[in-house]
Amino acid sequence: GAVVSQHPSWVICKSGTSVKIECRSLDFQATTMFWYRQFPKQSLMLMATSNEGSKATYEQGVEKDKFLINHASLTLSTLTVTSAHPEDSSFYICSANDYLSYNEQFFGPGTRLTVL
Amino acid sequence: GNSVTQMEGPVTLSEEAFLTINCTYTATGYPSLFWYVQYPGEGLQLLLKATKADDKGSNKGFEATYRKETTSFHLEKGSVQVSDSAVYFCALSDWGSSNTGKLIFGQGTTLQVKP
Repeated sequence: GAVVSQHPSWVICKSGTSVKIECRSLDFQATTMFWYRQFPKQSLMLMATSNEGSKATYEQGVEKDKFLINHASLTLSTLTVTSAHPEDSSFYICSANDYLSYNEQFFGPGTRLTVL
Repeated sequence: GNSVTQMEGPVTLSEEAFLTINCTYTATGYPSLFWYVQYPGEGLQLLLKATKADDKGSNKGFEATYRKETTSFHLEKGSVQVSDSAVYFCALSDWGSSNTGKLIFGQGTTLQVKP
């Protein structure tokens, strides 16, 4: 149980285009979802926290207009990287928790974004 | 604010060697502590956790004890295998101050086990 999926697993896009990444909780209802960014050989940096039906809470320094987060249902959150540039290339990971296991986050497998 | 500090890597060991990866934390309140493992190209998997002082988390031969007096949560394994090669992250959950359960991660420690 407690499986989180991400789609796509990798994506390559041209500079200036927008890319949407989906995060789904497959067998539980995610009250809260988190989006992280990870640079090579570095730790995870929390970008934002989202609750179903409400606006995401962004961490300091993260551009809200660049990284659009939509938590439309209890099983789906999306991250859209708008007008992507090469510096946005990174590994994006989502996680989720539910009211039953509120103290534990379940992580998706990650999405590798490369912007040319 | 809350923070987690891990020993710097990489850590290189021979198979069957004893492993210790140090982790210390700074936190207000009583956070839960976690160890996550990340294999190359993959997301994070929970390895073990402890929710209160003196709790010992264990899984797959790995252990860590929540030491409030030393604010530590060191990861240990008695005999490592090549398949344990990965990056290990220590983390604490920030429920106390933020009420969101967001995780604060250490910088990660790369473990390489040689046959």
